[in-house]
Amino acid sequence: SAVISQKPSRDICQRGTSLTIQCQVDSQVTMMFWYRQQPGQSLTLIATANQGSEATYESGFVIDKFPISRPNLTFSTLTVSNMSPEDSSIYLCSVVTGASNTGELFFGEGSRLTVL
Amino acid sequence: AQSVSQHNHHVILSEAASLELGCNYSYGGTVNLFWYVQYPGQHLQLLLKYFSGDPLVKGIKGFEAEFIKSKFSFNLRKPSVQWSDTAEYFCAASHFSGNTGKLIFGQGTTLQVKP
Repeated sequence: SAVISQKPSRDICQRGTSLTIQCQVDSQVTMMFWYRQQPGQSLTLIATANQGSEATYESGFVIDKFPISRPNLTFSTLTVSNMSPEDSSIYLCSVVTGASNTGELFFGEGSRLTVL
Repeated sequence: AQSVSQHNHHVILSEAASLELGCNYSYGGTVNLFWYVQYPGQHLQLLLKYFSGDPLVKGIKGFEAEFIKSKFSFNLRKPSVQWSDTAEYFCAASHFSGNTGKLIFGQGTTLQVKP
C-alpha cells in the first residue's frame, strides 16, 4: 500500500489566480496520477506524472492550464492556472505501487478548491 | 466513448437490509473492474477488483461483486449492511493491462444506512 499526503486539503481562491497542489508519497513510485472530481460528477483523469519526463495529459486537459512537476519518485505538484469558477473541484493524487501488480490505485485525501 | 454508469445515485437502507448497487460499462474488449469506497472524511480505497477468473469476487467488509460479461455489468452486493457502510461507492473500469492508473469512474452512489 501507499500513504499519500496532499496539501492544501482545501482552499478558496479568487478568479484569475493560480494554485499549486502538492502530493507526497511515503514510498518511491514510478507513476503518479492526477484526477479531478467536479461537483456531482465522477473522477476524471487529468494527467499521468512521470519522473524524468513530461506529464501525459488526457483529452481535454492541457499543460498550460494544469502544469505538473515530478522532481523525484515520491513527490509531484499540480498547478491549476488562471482559475475560474469551473475549476472548483476536488483534485486527487493517486499512485500505483510497484508491489501492486493489479492496477489498484491508492488515493490521497484530495484537495478541495473553491474558486470565487 | 468508454463509460461507466451507476444506476443509483443515492440509496437509503436500514441496517441488516441487503444491498445491490448497479454498475455497467461500455468497453468492448478485455476489461478490469473495480469498486472503490469513500467513507466520510476519508480517502478513496479499494473494495474489490476483477481482472480474470471467477466472475464472483469477494472484497473487504463482506462485499462481493459479480462480473456478468453478457450484461456488461459489475454489480456490488452485501447481504446485510451496517451503519458503518455509510459512504460513497464508485465503480471503475480499465481496459489496459498492468499498472496504468487510467480508470474510468462511474458517477458514484451515496449509501446512507440508518441505524
